[in-house]
Amino acid sequence: GAGVSQSPRYKVTKRGQDVALRCDPISGHVSLYWYRQALGQGPEFLTYFNYEAQQDKSGLPNDRFSAERPEGSISTLTIQRTEQRDSAMYRCATGRTAYSGANVLTFGAGSRLTVL
Amino acid sequence: AQKVTQAQTEISVVEKEDVTLDCVYETRDTTYYLFWYKQPPSGELVFLIRRNSFDEQNEISGRYSWNFQKSTSSFNFTITASQVVDSAVYFCALPDNQGGKLIFGQGTELSVKP
Repeated sequence: GAGVSQSPRYKVTKRGQDVALRCDPISGHVSLYWYRQALGQGPEFLTYFNYEAQQDKSGLPNDRFSAERPEGSISTLTIQRTEQRDSAMYRCATGRTAYSGANVLTFGAGSRLTVL
Repeated sequence: AQKVTQAQTEISVVEKEDVTLDCVYETRDTTYYLFWYKQPPSGELVFLIRRNSFDEQNEISGRYSWNFQKSTSSFNFTITASQVVDSAVYFCALPDNQGGKLIFGQGTELSVKP
């Protein structure tokens, strides 16, 4: 697609439920990143993929968080047994190349998660 | 580890004033890139500029200019003759030296009043 598409844009869920957030990258973009942004803070890295390979998941807060990108295109970030502290904006970003410090990331509009 | 500090949390100016947003970074890399992103009230993150540490020349794009000073590890952003549409949160960012992730500063919220 023309831009990075994320769905759902807004998700309200009850504590303990699982949620899946989807990212549809710009066509042909090799790298895909997930970030989390709390109110009033900068985006915080969660994980990233080059093609289908998960290169770094050091930012995932705990084992309730997981991500996949099975065919090197669409990615899903899954949060199991959600907790109120998981409430945040979850952003996906994609880049034209595999890791390079020069990679310009294009961000999606984000998925706003609220856990009640 | 890479670190980006944006000491100014909020700045408020009146339209047509010039304003400078500060960014100080820490890195052990000898070559690196630096970025600025804009987050308008609508919430998306928009890329503004990427600079290579090799190039210390100031960059100007319309009312925007960037002053990169390697000696002081700073990459400051100036808006000349600010406009209400410049109101946004601005983030400075630096790639992590272990992989592709961008390390963002806390952001500076700029409010331009008419």
